Amino acid sequence: GIQVEQSPPDLILQEGANSTLRCNFSDSVNNLQWFHQNPWGQLINLFYIPSGTKQNGRLSATTVATERYSLLYISSSQTTDSGVYFCAPGDTDKLIFGTGTRLQVFP
Amino acid sequence: DTGVSQDPRHKITKRGQNVTFRCDPISEHNRLYWYRQTLGQGPEFLTYFQNEAQLEKSRLLSDRFSAERPKGSFSTLEIQRTEQGDSAMYLCASSSRGGGTRAYEQYFGPGTRLTVT
Repeated sequence: GIQVEQSPPDLILQEGANSTLRCNFSDSVNNLQWFHQNPWGQLINLFYIPSGTKQNGRLSATTVATERYSLLYISSSQTTDSGVYFCAPGDTDKLIFGTGTRLQVFP
Repeated sequence: DTGVSQDPRHKITKRGQNVTFRCDPISEHNRLYWYRQTLGQGPEFLTYFQNEAQLEKSRLLSDRFSAERPKGSFSTLEIQRTEQGDSAMYLCASSSRGGGTRAYEQYFGPGTRLTVT
């Protein structure tokens, strides 16, 4: 099955800083989503991005499917960005989650 | 669009008891998924339905687990003879497989946190 590796595992930032989260996956996929899991456990959709680049406010994501990686960019980070960020590629409807990047943003 | 809902949000049970969780998907979504998440890990796929048909089951879903979606709307996940290793967050998601750019995108509910004592 697909193997997913996310880096870094932990990230500590001061408010206003920018960051890049990386997701490597082992096989070709036709589905990839990024999620933010807030401190209450809710998974919030950030991007559906099996290929290409998308932007939503301070967040953007790029997936290079041929090279089997995806990047999530967070600019001007805020304390509300804290939580765990998951990358979840898949070859059908079954998403395979990585172990996530835990982000802490301090004021 | 009221989102995916799950009930109960928390369940504490004693080892050996049976428990049942319910998931109500987004109303126009025809696909429904169950995942399990343990502390410090990402969610793991358990099973999914298209309408009322169960299309795939993970090897994680032992014989003690059964999921149904009788009328293609809400779904239930039952765990029989619970074990302490079943303690986890059980997440439900739904998606619309109808073509267009939003096919496959899954939306998650708040989860049911199960504690087996």
